Amino acid sequence: SQTIHQWPATLVQPVGSPLSLECTVEGTSNPNLYWYRQAAGRGLQLLFYSVGIGQISSEVPQNLSASRPQDRQFILSSKKLLLSDSGFYLCAWFKRRTYGYTFGSGTRLTVV
Amino acid sequence: SQELEQSPQSLIVQEGKNLTINCTSSKTLYGLYWYKQKYGEGLIFLMMLQKGGEEKSHEKITAKLDEKKQQSSLHITASQPSHAGIYLCGADYSGGSNYKLTFGKGTLLTVNP
Repeated sequence: SQTIHQWPATLVQPVGSPLSLECTVEGTSNPNLYWYRQAAGRGLQLLFYSVGIGQISSEVPQNLSASRPQDRQFILSSKKLLLSDSGFYLCAWFKRRTYGYTFGSGTRLTVV
Repeated sequence: SQELEQSPQSLIVQEGKNLTINCTSSKTLYGLYWYKQKYGEGLIFLMMLQKGGEEKSHEKITAKLDEKKQQSSLHITASQPSHAGIYLCGADYSGGSNYKLTFGKGTLLTVNP
């Protein structure tokens, strides 16, 4: 069966510090992978998506970057966090249109 | 302006009551997805609608997509505390291989026992 792992669950980081969030998928190959951010009152915002190793599409210009070093690994990074980077970050993978996304359990990031 | 509007933003109902959540798109969509989220957790897939006029049901939840494929509703019959959470609709506008979903802001549902 396919599963998606996302960690850490919660993170408190000071302004200006680096960030690395990791997402891995098991039980499938060559999945489409996505990073979303959910901020209060703003819904789910697509940040990056990837259709294959090394292929990253950025949806919103910002202080973040993404990488896909392996087929089933998707990493969200920042060199210097801003207060506005706080939010709930969700990783997802796409199975097929009938089922849409499968989401990870999310990471709550608080930048202080 | 937002491509996908959800209403209401929040909803408080008494257990046993029926309720409806709406999702309106500013343009025709290829597919419409409904998800449920418990606070601080990931989203759980509920239903996907693709054809104009389509209706699907799962347990006490029914979702409909209008003929023009721009509006969807989620109806819960005889609500229970277990139905509480955030309901989000997501739209697939591409229909092609460049698959990605645009989400509404969500509806926060509270069910009082």
